[in-house]
Amino acid sequence: GNSVTQMEGPVTLSEEAFLTINCTYTATGYPSLFWYVQYPGEGLQLLLKATKADDKGSNKGFEATYRKETTSFHLEKGSVQVSDSAVYFCALSPSSGSARQLTFGSGTQLTVLP
Amino acid sequence: SQTIHQWPATLVQPVGSPLSLECTVEGTSNPNLYWYRQAAGRGLQLLFYSVGIGQISSEVPQNLSASRPQDRQFILSSKKLLLSDSGFYLCAWRGTSGYNEQFFGPGTRLTVL
Repeated sequence: GNSVTQMEGPVTLSEEAFLTINCTYTATGYPSLFWYVQYPGEGLQLLLKATKADDKGSNKGFEATYRKETTSFHLEKGSVQVSDSAVYFCALSPSSGSARQLTFGSGTQLTVLP
Repeated sequence: SQTIHQWPATLVQPVGSPLSLECTVEGTSNPNLYWYRQAAGRGLQLLFYSVGIGQISSEVPQNLSASRPQDRQFILSSKKLLLSDSGFYLCAWRGTSGYNEQFFGPGTRLTVL
């Protein structure tokens, strides 16, 4: 079956530090890949997505590249801010199936200190 | 544009009481709809999904049930709540862009005492 493995947290960084959150996946075919962000007490927000190999998703300074050869989709940001403190989820959607259910990683808690 | 609503936002219920959580989507037709539960400090657990009116698939056997009485309405219910039902309940719909992303509602915080 499909699975997503995320870097375990929590991750604590100082403001303006470089961020990497690792994500690897197992799936057949060519799944779509996503990063979601969840701020305290809120639902999940789609942060970025990629649908084929070598695609780079980007949004709000965050980037992730779909690497088919390493089955990875690592999240990066060059300079984090206090407002980036949240839980980040990596997810995949299979390339077939009527419901196209998402498979989520376990989430990584990020805290950015001023 | 599409929006998704959930209510109530918070709920405190005694053990053994019934439950009804509602989710509605605006601005789209015949969406796939999903119910997730998120326990404190944990990831998301898919509970139910629906591809159309009256069509419900259950992912986890438990004392919860779901119904879809209208195209854009998805309801999560229980006849008797357990302590273990406490958590953050999220409803989502699948986008129609072809990328299969899901868009989430604001969630309902349920505390069972």
